[in-house]
Amino acid sequence: EAGVAQSPRYKIIEKRQSVAFWCNPISGHATLYWYQQILGQGPKLLIQFQNNGVVDDSQLPKDRFSAERLKGVDSTLKIQPAKLEDSAVYLCASSYRDPLYNEQFFGPGTRLTVL
Amino acid sequence: QKEVEQDPGPLSVPEGAIVSLNCTYSNSAFQYFMWYRQYSRKGPELLMYTYSSGNKEDGRFTAQVDKSSKYISLFIRDSQPSDSATYLCAMLIGDTGRRALTFGSGTRLQVQP
Repeated sequence: EAGVAQSPRYKIIEKRQSVAFWCNPISGHATLYWYQQILGQGPKLLIQFQNNGVVDDSQLPKDRFSAERLKGVDSTLKIQPAKLEDSAVYLCASSYRDPLYNEQFFGPGTRLTVL
Repeated sequence: QKEVEQDPGPLSVPEGAIVSLNCTYSNSAFQYFMWYRQYSRKGPELLMYTYSSGNKEDGRFTAQVDKSSKYISLFIRDSQPSDSATYLCAMLIGDTGRRALTFGSGTRLQVQP
């Protein structure tokens, strides 16, 4: 079974620039999550999708971050404009719609450095 | 105060040692408790999952939950160099629909050969 795919793996940009990350979840997984992991911290949820609808985006900085999941499969996360404090690893995860227990499968992440 | 507290380490042990990793939490609504392992430059992967108080064993790993004390532990027996990674505790309230995990900050473990 193929895992969660993310691209790019690394990105370096200057502050105030824009950047976009892409995620392809495991086939059949209806729920998709974007997490932000700052160095030395645990992942923090940014947004959760159920199919192509947003379930939870309460911690997404909506003035600069946006995310979409067209057709309920792939997803993109965008930052515009980026700030220094956005330097982090952006993890995408997916899970079945409503499992007995919620195993979330994580991708390898995109490491963003904002200079 | 963070909802989930975890000692960041690093924790260095010799091969074969028993390792104890711990987390405390403040939100009594948490119902599901997990331990994830994260190797350098990789995404977290699920190690253990528990729902109720008590112990759960899987090979060399034992997860322990004490809801009355809001305290969870992960024990690793006969630790191996391949266990060297960051261990993240994670918790879930379990409301219908909202399945976001709340993570601890992670404990970095180094097992010396």
